[in-house]
Amino acid sequence: DIQMTQSPSSLSASVGDRVTITCRASQSISSYLNWYQQRPGKAPKLLIYAASSLQSGVPSRFSGSGSGTDFTLTISSLQPDDFATYYCQQSYTTPRTFGPGTKVDLQ
Amino acid sequence: EVQLVESGGGLVQPGGSLRLSCVASGFTFSTYWMHWVRQVPGKGLVWVSSINSDGTSTDYADSVKGRFTISRDNAKNTLYVQMNSLRAGDTAVYYCARDSFYYDSDGYQHDAFDMWGQGTMVTVSS
Repeated sequence: DIQMTQSPSSLSASVGDRVTITCRASQSISSYLNWYQQRPGKAPKLLIYAASSLQSGVPSRFSGSGSGTDFTLTISSLQPDDFATYYCQQSYTTPRTFGPGTKVDLQ
Repeated sequence: EVQLVESGGGLVQPGGSLRLSCVASGFTFSTYWMHWVRQVPGKGLVWVSSINSDGTSTDYADSVKGRFTISRDNAKNTLYVQMNSLRAGDTAVYYCARDSFYYDSDGYQHDAFDMWGQGTMVTVSS
């Protein structure tokens, strides 16, 4: 199975901050990487697919980059709605493994 | 409205069985692959099982293989998972998720879980 890791596991930030979350795969997955946001008590929401493509309806302050084994999710200017946990997921092969998550909370 | 609605969760004793359902509405259910993903409260997301659009191909996480069975009824727009021989470690919120295909600028196909249900809680305890 492909193992996914994320860093940091949590971070504290303020509204307006630029936030970057890193995801690493245990082997090359090309650009087969998705990002999800999960607010407390809610289902996950797709933000980014294919490493850098923004899902319809997702604000443009979210962006993704990377290929191979190293990927990043960037929030250019953190908004109150963005305080949540973010998960990466590889879609290169089954099982579709997720990273452990990065919790973004209010500083 | 485009949505997925799970049901069937509850409290079950170790060794028991439970069947979860996920009813789809607002889209052509029969054309999508579907998945079950679970999450222990306060922990991360774990993929459990998948099924192709016509139900002829399924896959399972090693942790549930031989105990869980995924199926679908496209006439009823419903996804199922039959969970047998349940263990305490199966305690989690179970989500159904729709799998959508996308194409990148080079024409390669990607997929992602673009729609999720609200989840249903399964508790395995005596």
